[in-house]
Amino acid sequence: GQQLNQSPQSMFIQEGEDVSMNCTSSSIFNTWLWYKQDPGEGPVLLIALYKAGELTSNGRLTAQFGITRKDSFLNISASIPSDVGIYFCAGQKGGSEKLVFGKGTKLTVNP
Amino acid sequence: NAGVTQTPKFRILKIGQSMTLQCTQDMNHNYMYWYRQDPGMGLKLIYYSVGAGITDKGEVPNGYNVSRSTTEDFPLRLELAAPSQTSVYFCASRGTGYTKNIQYFGAGTRLSVL
Repeated sequence: GQQLNQSPQSMFIQEGEDVSMNCTSSSIFNTWLWYKQDPGEGPVLLIALYKAGELTSNGRLTAQFGITRKDSFLNISASIPSDVGIYFCAGQKGGSEKLVFGKGTKLTVNP
Repeated sequence: NAGVTQTPKFRILKIGQSMTLQCTQDMNHNYMYWYRQDPGMGLKLIYYSVGAGITDKGEVPNGYNVSRSTTEDFPLRLELAAPSQTSVYFCASRGTGYTKNIQYFGAGTRLSVL
């Protein structure tokens, strides 16, 4: 099945550092979503992007919908210990109920 | 606020056994979904429903069945459990309107088939 290429697979950073991760696809999506999953929990939506070129912020998180509609980026500024978790990107084509997920980026923040 | 509730949280099955994973939501959402998450992978859609009485296959439906007799409940049935069905299963729901793309997930059911 279709899959998104999400990188990096894992990151180990110091508290206070900025973080960047991205997702790429060989096909176009109409919606890009970023989720965070804490251990033992289901994913929680962080940011939803609906238009090519769109840049959206949610607190210290900023995500962008790529111009080509084949990629998306998530940045976290001034990381804190509670940012630890797995971040997933997901793409959705127009008229489809199906979300295609990346494999996730596991973030570890050292205090 | 209950949101999306999944039961059980954990289950061990023997090969060939059957079981039903329960999912219920109290947000009056029309859309409901079942995903599976294998280690180190993203979620893959098994089945989804756009309303009571309507279900459709997702990306990986083989070995599973669903029903949607009420808006609140969307059970997932495994008839003949196989080791390949060892996974974490997530149920999700979403509404319409301005929150249309926000799928709310349950905490998951961790299933091992031995």
